[in-house]
Amino acid sequence: QTVVTQEPSFSVSPGGTVTLTCGLNSGSVSTSFYPSWYQQTPGQAPRTLIYSTNTRSSGVPDRFSGSILGNKAALTITGAQADDESDYYCVMYVGSGIWVFGGGTKLTVL
Amino acid sequence: QVQLVQSGAEVRKAGASVKVSCKASGYTFTSSGINWMRQAPGQGLEWMGWISGYNGNTNYAQNLQGRVTMTTDTSTSTAYMELRSLRSDDTAVYYCARDQVPYYFDSWGQGTLVTVSS
Repeated sequence: QTVVTQEPSFSVSPGGTVTLTCGLNSGSVSTSFYPSWYQQTPGQAPRTLIYSTNTRSSGVPDRFSGSILGNKAALTITGAQADDESDYYCVMYVGSGIWVFGGGTKLTVL
Repeated sequence: QVQLVQSGAEVRKAGASVKVSCKASGYTFTSSGINWMRQAPGQGLEWMGWISGYNGNTNYAQNLQGRVTMTTDTSTSTAYMELRSLRSDDTAVYYCARDQVPYYFDSWGQGTLVTVSS
């Protein structure tokens, strides 16, 4: 059973930089898992931020970036703003038409 | 623009079934798949399964096999998710989302709250 791991919570100061990570219990994350990232605020549907490791979705500001860092996928927010305070989810495509969500990271901007 | 509009909130008794719809517009329905996710109160998102808009092929999450059925009606560009033998821990907001190449979800429905009472 594939488990995708994320930090449960993280905090960043306004204007600061934060990197959230996304790992796999089975080993290293690679681009072959097509990691994607979604932002969700309370009561709202998720919003697509990043797909295929590092491609920004339409309309997403360039202060959001995706990468592979070591053996994990990573989402970096540069110049954090108050309205970046949200839950962030990564998703891995594990093949055969199956996706797995991470548990999400609650980001606080303070 | 792409839109996915879901049906309204539902309340069911434990043991009953629920069927949620997701009507697509703004694109060719048969060119993409529809995924279903759910989110229990205060919890994270869970992928439930996928259905092809082209031929109706499906993949379901292992923990829901036997209780969930996803279907489509291409004449109305609508996807459906039926969950049977409902339990209290099925109480959640259910989302549909279109998948795109390469393997991500680009458009989401607004969500449908399903409440299961015992």
